[in-house]
Amino acid sequence: QQQVKQSPQSLIVQKGGISIINCAYENTAFDYFPWYQQFPGKGPALLIAIRPDVSEKKEGRFTISFNKSAKQFSLHIMDSQPGDSATYFCAANDGTNAGKSTFGDGTTLTVKP
Amino acid sequence: NAGVTQTPKFRILKIGQSMTLQCTQDMNHNYMYWYRQDPGMGLKLIYYSVGAGITDKGEVPNGYNVSRSTTEDFPLRLELAAPSQTSVYFCASSYSSQGGYEQYFGPGTRLTVT
Repeated sequence: QQQVKQSPQSLIVQKGGISIINCAYENTAFDYFPWYQQFPGKGPALLIAIRPDVSEKKEGRFTISFNKSAKQFSLHIMDSQPGDSATYFCAANDGTNAGKSTFGDGTTLTVKP
Repeated sequence: NAGVTQTPKFRILKIGQSMTLQCTQDMNHNYMYWYRQDPGMGLKLIYYSVGAGITDKGEVPNGYNVSRSTTEDFPLRLELAAPSQTSVYFCASSYSSQGGYEQYFGPGTRLTVT
């Protein structure tokens, strides 16, 4: 059972545009939502994370928006740059299950110059 | 800190051969994980460990085994390699940050079984 659904599967954005990736979850026990960035040939790396008691978190050009009632959260990349081209994974965990995260299937972002 | 290191980076196996993928972390994390990532796909959990001497199955454990004799090391053993095990394997460790868990991944091992 897919517990974290991520969309879109792929995304093409022009340089300077806004990239938006959406995730939806089912398990209401989830209470921590990290995002990971993976460049080709590399392992995923933590990008930004949010707790559900916060509706928005911003770090530089990256912003997570969280809608607890809808059980949805999204990553916004402002002023997208070619160097942002990567695969992005959303994840969720509940802090009680051996630290295991449930991952979305990933979104491949291409930023065209 | 080196973080999470994995060896080898690449390996080609023949069907039926065995091998061990090595994983070491120097962050003193209790939790460690093995994932596989098939081309264009997400991460699937193979095995995980909550501490030395304790391991458990993830969602795709068949054909693999693990051990955890120390906090630092979490090797993954492939017995009787099959083409279906061709994948990129990532080891990760995690700790609790701000009440939630964040995972730190190694660089991966790209395995081809022919």
